[in-house]
Amino acid sequence: QQQVKQSPQSLIVQKGGISIINCAYENTAFDYFPWYQQFPGKGPALLIAIRPDVSEKKEGRFTISFNKSAKQFSLHIMDSQPGDSATYFCAASRGSGTYKYIFGTGTRLKVLA
Amino acid sequence: NAGVMQNPRHLVRRRGQEARLRCSPMKGHSHVYWYRQLPEEGLKFMVYLQKENIIDESGMPKERFSAEFPKEGPSILRIQQVVRGDSAAYFCASSLTVAGDDQPQHFGDGTRLSIL
Repeated sequence: QQQVKQSPQSLIVQKGGISIINCAYENTAFDYFPWYQQFPGKGPALLIAIRPDVSEKKEGRFTISFNKSAKQFSLHIMDSQPGDSATYFCAASRGSGTYKYIFGTGTRLKVLA
Repeated sequence: NAGVMQNPRHLVRRRGQEARLRCSPMKGHSHVYWYRQLPEEGLKFMVYLQKENIIDESGMPKERFSAEFPKEGPSILRIQQVVRGDSAAYFCASSLTVAGDDQPQHFGDGTRLSIL
């Protein structure tokens, strides 16, 4: 019930392509879903986050799509660039700032130049 | 506007020694979280603290591990009698809670703990 399942484990995309990472959760009490980007040797950095009352949120080249009935959400990176090569983690929480995050296992993205 | 500061960045200990990891949250943040990341894995929640209080320690091993967030000074994650399995990256995050606003957790760059 506390798990967040993330796929794929790794992803290779050509420059300019679309990168899509999917996550699924079970606990309907979750109401905050952030995505984090992590470069080697660094901490996770918040990319974008969404609440269940919104089906889509876009910030620049990054879009979260949210399907509440299916309990799934996904990250789309449009016009992927080599600088986007990193590990991406989805997470779920009961709140944005006062509850633990449950992280997915991560997706290692490589964007080819 | 400094972010979450963790030190040391790298820590090497021999089996049986103690490890102390420090975390200074972002200015004004009163909520601190510790997570552990094993190689090629996601982050696993360990403990959530507010000033002088442990709110949730459900992810922390019952033995050898302890955490504190005193009124003054950084939060400390302490691991006693370390074993090889404690080798991991330990990340601290902090947040600022304002009612009605989204206040996500901001992460430090972690402490890489290696046990010889």
